[in-house]
Amino acid sequence: GQQLNQSPQSMFIQEGEDVSMNCTSSSIFNTWLWYKQDPGEGPVLLIALYKAGELTSNGRLTAQFGITRKDSFLNISASIPSDVGIYFCAGHHPQGGSEKLVFGKGTKLTVNP
Amino acid sequence: DGGITQSPKYLFRKEGQNVTLSCEQNLNHDAMYWYRQDPGQGLRLIYYSQIVNDFQKGDIAEGYSVSREKKESFPLTVTSAQKNPTAFYLCATQGAGHYGYTFGSGTRLTVV
Repeated sequence: GQQLNQSPQSMFIQEGEDVSMNCTSSSIFNTWLWYKQDPGEGPVLLIALYKAGELTSNGRLTAQFGITRKDSFLNISASIPSDVGIYFCAGHHPQGGSEKLVFGKGTKLTVNP
Repeated sequence: DGGITQSPKYLFRKEGQNVTLSCEQNLNHDAMYWYRQDPGQGLRLIYYSQIVNDFQKGDIAEGYSVSREKKESFPLTVTSAQKNPTAFYLCATQGAGHYGYTFGSGTRLTVV
């Protein structure tokens, strides 16, 4: 089946630093989504991308839908302690036969004050 | 406020007992999903339902059962056949024409 390779698996950064994480696939996706999960809670949608090449921002977050439709990245600028959590990428494959999303395994972010 | 309610937040079960996790939504979404999350494992799909009275197995359905008698409700039963049930369980919904999921706040199940 379709798989999303998300990297890095974990990151330890200092407050104020910028963060970059990405997701890649061997097959094309027609939608990319980025979620954040706070400890002990369910994931919350941060950004949705629907067109190849699309670049979208949400506050300090910026995400891009790769031009090849096989990758996406998420950047966080000037990190703060509340950015701590697990970030998941997710995508919808055009030939999946359903509306089910495929999820990456997540990037665990730790921010040191 | 529209949303998804998972209950209880924390659940303890003795080995050999079945337990049912509740997921209720008032978003009027057709599709509902159950995921299991273990540390460092990401989200693994257990069961999903795209319409009332119909559901399909996900990647790790063994030892679990579901029902979808009402649009609003998609309960998950963890049976005694599930060998390693301790995990964080997430319910999600998806509206028609939308790819994004809305997640509940999860239920942490611990077998004691």
